[in-house]
Amino acid sequence: QSALTQPASVSGSPGQSITISCTGTSSDVGSYNLVSWYQQHPGKAPKLMIYEVNKRPSGVSNRFSGSKSGNTASLTISGLQAEDEADYYCCSYAGSSPRVFGGGTKLTVL
Amino acid sequence: QVQLQESGPGLVKPSETLSLTCTVSGGSVSSGSYYWSWIRQPPGKGLEWIGYIYYSGSTNYNPSLKSRVTISVDTSKNQFSLKLRSVTAADTAVYYCARGSVDGDYDDYWGQGTLVTVSS
Repeated sequence: QSALTQPASVSGSPGQSITISCTGTSSDVGSYNLVSWYQQHPGKAPKLMIYEVNKRPSGVSNRFSGSKSGNTASLTISGLQAEDEADYYCCSYAGSSPRVFGGGTKLTVL
Repeated sequence: QVQLQESGPGLVKPSETLSLTCTVSGGSVSSGSYYWSWIRQPPGKGLEWIGYIYYSGSTNYNPSLKSRVTISVDTSKNQFSLKLRSVTAADTAVYYCARGSVDGDYDDYWGQGTLVTVSS
């Protein structure tokens, strides 16, 4: 069970859009529409931002969106705001080894 | 509003057993719609899924930890627990409990986390 691959860091200016990729395999991301994304601010617990690839929980801004193509899922944040600066983790269902997280991406808002 | 709270020793000696409990309020661990997870995060590192339990007692564990982990549920106390045996310094982490959706396989409510340090 290997971790999903995310870029270590991404950055963008306020108002811009950024995309964070999450690459898995045909055993996890590629086989199931069960990818979720979590936002984590320093010293805080993770917060669910996207589930089932592209669904937003109640209360999450529509500036956050998710998608998937093949073995790669993506999180897009539009209209970047200072408060979006955080670590982001993807997670996928993986069948017999049910859960695997990505290594995390640090988003810096310039 | 569902709330989860981890509790347990913050310091464990090497080779001993780490034991944590998660108390759930505003919801029931007996609900068939959810499972109850443990996730950990070593200092400065990423998230690692440990495992989860269903109200019936059915469990699923991370293969890399399976030989050392036991997750149990106490429906009478609305709690679930984690035991990790034979710990080493590599098990030092913030441990989170969370509620997971059975249908969508995501964790929608998390505890605040508790730091467990393994040291003599």
